[in-house]
Amino acid sequence: TQLLEQSPQFLSIQEGENLTVYCNSSSVFSSLQWYRQEPGEGPVLLVTVVTGGEVKKLKRLTFQFGDARKDSSLHITAAQPGDTGLYLCAGEGSGGGADGLTFGKGTHLIIQP
Amino acid sequence: KAGVTQTPRYLIKTRGQQVTLSCSPISGHRSVSWYQQTPGQGLQFLFEYFSETQRNKGNFPGRFSGRQFSNSRSEMNVSTLELGDSALYLCASSLSGAVTEAFFGQGTRLTVV
Repeated sequence: TQLLEQSPQFLSIQEGENLTVYCNSSSVFSSLQWYRQEPGEGPVLLVTVVTGGEVKKLKRLTFQFGDARKDSSLHITAAQPGDTGLYLCAGEGSGGGADGLTFGKGTHLIIQP
Repeated sequence: KAGVTQTPRYLIKTRGQQVTLSCSPISGHRSVSWYQQTPGQGLQFLFEYFSETQRNKGNFPGRFSGRQFSNSRSEMNVSTLELGDSALYLCASSLSGAVTEAFFGQGTRLTVV
């Protein structure tokens, strides 16, 4: 059974600060996705990383896939209140879409003005 | 184009009853996956359908079932509801089943009383 552990589980910081969220596993994933979910809504895909060591940037968000494709991180620079939400990482197993995604339990992020 | 549509958005059922949830994927998408989201367990994969065939099923009891129609719309059914079935049920659609291009609906919030 593949598991993804996210840390921290909860994070509350002031606007303008930087933060990093981690997603770790003992399993290798074909790809890893990061989602953001707001209350009462479904997850919205932020990025997909596929290659070990890959780094992708989305404005103030930087995503990195570990060299061994077992872990990932999300770094937010100069956080803003609009970044508040539940951040989920999800890994694709070797079976592809038919096996579904394995999700971490998420990081609840609150950015205070 | 229209996104993934799930109906109903909210549902209250009594223990022992059964329930059917519906998911209309993005036009042209042939794969629909279902997930259960609870505060304690996070998002867990239920099953995935592609061209009317269930390709895989997560670790859920047989009370959870689903089907997909020729127009790619999907339904999931939960029989003999238990209090623990209270959750947000999410479906995700993709063109070919690749999870890297999956789009989630807003979910159906099921409360079992």
